[in-house]
Amino acid sequence: GAGVSQSPRYKVAKRGQDVALRCDPISGHVSLFWYQQALGQGPEFLTYFQNEAQLDKSGLPSDRFFAERPEGSVSTLKIQRTQQEDSAVYLCASSRGSYNEQFFGPGTRLTVL
Amino acid sequence: SQQGEEDPQALSIQEGENATMNCSYKTSINNLQWYRQNSGRGLVHLILIRSNEREKHSGRLRVTLDTSKKSSSLLITASRAADTASYFCATDAGYGNKLVFGAGTILRVKS
Repeated sequence: GAGVSQSPRYKVAKRGQDVALRCDPISGHVSLFWYQQALGQGPEFLTYFQNEAQLDKSGLPSDRFFAERPEGSVSTLKIQRTQQEDSAVYLCASSRGSYNEQFFGPGTRLTVL
Repeated sequence: SQQGEEDPQALSIQEGENATMNCSYKTSINNLQWYRQNSGRGLVHLILIRSNEREKHSGRLRVTLDTSKKSSSLLITASRAADTASYFCATDAGYGNKLVFGAGTILRVKS
């Protein structure tokens, strides 16, 4: 596709529900990143894939957060048993590889009630 | 935790004026990137400058990098109302992949 796409754009979940957020990177981009952006703050790194390999998950805030990219293209970020503090915009980015520009999707705004 | 800090936190100027935003960071880097974010939208990549570069231009944008001071600046010349947005700098903090962002500068251009 022309750019990174994410779905859904908005998600409202009740506390305790599981959610799944999808990211479609730019075709051919081997690197894929997930970031979390709280209101009024810059994005914070969650996890990074190179093709299907998850090379860095140091930013995932708890074991309730899980990400996968099984075929090296589309990625899913799953949050289990959502909490109110998980409310944020979740941004996905892709790039041709290390040391290159990262291109971001529009984000998914998650609100946990 | 965030790597860098943008300065100022907020900036309000008249259309046609120039806007300068600064970014400081803490660790060695391979590159630094500037992004724009309009309210409620995703990040738009503006420019990437590598650690061995000192200045880069793209249209009305001029970015400088001083690795000895661990700082960068973004200059927007002849600003327009459409430039109103939040601007973020991000470094790779030496990793080459994940980005570490500052808290951003909110720019308002009044017409």
